[in-house]
Formats: sequence, structure tokens, C-alpha cells
Amino acid sequence: DIQMTQSPSSLSASVGDRVTITCRASQSISNYLSWYQQKPGIAPKLLIYAASSLQSGVPSRFSGSGSGTDFTLTISSLQPEDFATFYCQQSYSIPLTFGGGTKVEIK
Amino acid sequence: EVQLVQSGAEVKKPGESLKISCEGSGYIFTSFWIAWVRQMPGRGLEWMGIIYPDDSDVRYSPSFQGQVTMSADKSINTAYLQWSSLKASDTAMYYCARQRGLEMATVDYWGQGTLVTVSS
Repeated sequence: DIQMTQSPSSLSASVGDRVTITCRASQSISNYLSWYQQKPGIAPKLLIYAASSLQSGVPSRFSGSGSGTDFTLTISSLQPEDFATFYCQQSYSIPLTFGGGTKVEIK
Repeated sequence: EVQLVQSGAEVKKPGESLKISCEGSGYIFTSFWIAWVRQMPGRGLEWMGIIYPDDSDVRYSPSFQGQVTMSADKSINTAYLQWSSLKASDTAMYYCARQRGLEMATVDYWGQGTLVTVSS
């Protein structure tokens, strides 16, 4: 199985901050990497697919980059509604695997 | 609008059986895979496996092989996840989600989740 390692596991930030989350795959996954946002008690929501493609309806302050083994999710200006847990996921091969999650909290 | 609607929360005792469902609408149900994802309390997301409703081709994650059974009824656009003998460790939220392909494919739409509680 491909292991996905996210960092940091949590962070505190203020509204308006630029936030960066990283994800590393245990082997090359090309650009088959998605990012999800999950709020408590709610299903995950797709933000970014194919490493850098913005899902329809997702605000442009979210962006993704990377290929091979190293990937980044960036929130350019953190908004109150962005406080949540973020997960990366590889879809290169089954079983699909997720990173451990990054909880973004209010500073 | 693509929607996946899951059955309601369940409370069961250890050793009991259970089957939960996921009904798709707003797209051609037989053209996409349905994945099941587990989230144990306070934990992350785990991909359990996937089924193709058109021919019921199923692929399980090694971690879940033999622990659950996935099935589908394409006549009613519904996928199922079932247990023959529940354990306390099966307590979790279970999500179904649409997966665009078997591999190299995004998981895009998610159901609302079914909370399964197993307790004596």
C-alpha cells in the first residue's frame, strides 16, 4: 500500500493568514492526489483533484501543487469557514490511502 | 445534482448482523464505482473497498477483506455494506462515495454517512 504522510498534524492560524499543508507519498503517484476538507460531523468535501485542479464551486483561495511524491495545499487567505480538518488522498492505485489529516484551528 | 443518500444510524449488539445502504441519484449509477470509507471516532479516513454496480465487481482493501461484504442492486441504484457478526471495534461512521474509476480516479461525491454503534 502507498503510505501518505501529512504535516503538520495540526496548526493554529488567524483569519487572513496564508496556510500551507504538505503531503508526501511513499512512492511516486504522478499527480493522482486529492485534497478534502472535513468539518465535524459532516462528510469530507473534495477541494482539489489531480494535484492542482480546483473542484467546481470551491473558492479560488484554495490551491494545490506538486507531483511525484511531494504535494502542497495552500489557502491564500484563511477565512472563518475554513477551520476544519484537511486530508490528502492518493488515487494512483488501490487501496486508495489517506494522509493522517491536518486540523486547522483558530489562533 | 449528484446525490448519495445513506441509510440511518444503527445501534447493534456484538455478534449481530447489519446491512447499510447508499442510494445514488443525479448521474448514471452504473457508470461509476462506489467506494466505502470508514472513520472511527476521532480518527482519520480509511478506504475499505469499492464496487462497480453494473456488474458487481468488488475490490477490497486487504485491511477489510473478509470483514465486510459489499454488494449492489443496480435496478434501484443502491449499494450496500454488510457485516455478518459485528464487533465493538466496528463502531464508526461509514461513508459511501462515488469514485470515477478503479485506479487513477478521483473520489468526488460523498454520502452523508451512516453512524454504526456496536455496544452490549
